[in-house]
Amino acid sequence: DAGVIQSPRHEVTEMGQEVTLRCKPISGHNSLFWYRQTMMRGLELLIYFNNNVPIDDSGMPEDRFSAKMPNASFSTLKIQPSEPRDSAVYFCASSLTSEGEQYFGPGTRLTVT
Amino acid sequence: GQQVMQIPQYQHVQEGEDFTTYCNSSTTLSNIQWYKQRPGGHPVFLIQLVKSGEVKKQKRLTFQFGEAKKNSSLHITATQTTDVGTYFCAVFTSGTYKYIFGTGTRLKVLA
Repeated sequence: DAGVIQSPRHEVTEMGQEVTLRCKPISGHNSLFWYRQTMMRGLELLIYFNNNVPIDDSGMPEDRFSAKMPNASFSTLKIQPSEPRDSAVYFCASSLTSEGEQYFGPGTRLTVT
Repeated sequence: GQQVMQIPQYQHVQEGEDFTTYCNSSTTLSNIQWYKQRPGGHPVFLIQLVKSGEVKKQKRLTFQFGEAKKNSSLHITATQTTDVGTYFCAVFTSGTYKYIFGTGTRLKVLA
């Protein structure tokens, strides 16, 4: 198994631009998580899905952030418009159940100038 | 909201010394997980603890869940340079029904 796949690995964009991050979870996993990691705020859960349905999006910073999971093998996290304070590493993780061991992807390092 | 503190925030040890990080929650936990993140890498699952007072060992690593299920510890015996990284606890409560990651402890091992 290739593990959790994220793309792109690095993204540099200008303030105001739309950014889309992509994630392919491990096949057979029913839960998918999006995290953001910064030095100041640590590792924050943004949103998670069970069986493609968003369960908890209380960590999504504001309306500029949105996430979708159209099927069991693909999810996106979109930021529109992006701001410099969105600069961070964004991780996607998947697990068999919402309480189980989480497998993290390699992350996307986002820089907004 | 729920707070999950880990202490210490940083720890530098000489190779061969022991290391312990503590994870403290303000609420009673259903279970707790531990992860390790190498510099520049992603978090990797180490273990999950469920029962009150539970102790689990993985080679030089010993994990313990407190009797009141509000705290946990990770102890590394005789550290090696390969132990370098940040160790996170992730706590799960029936109230939130999700994992919340602790602040992490960054370990440096000096050869």
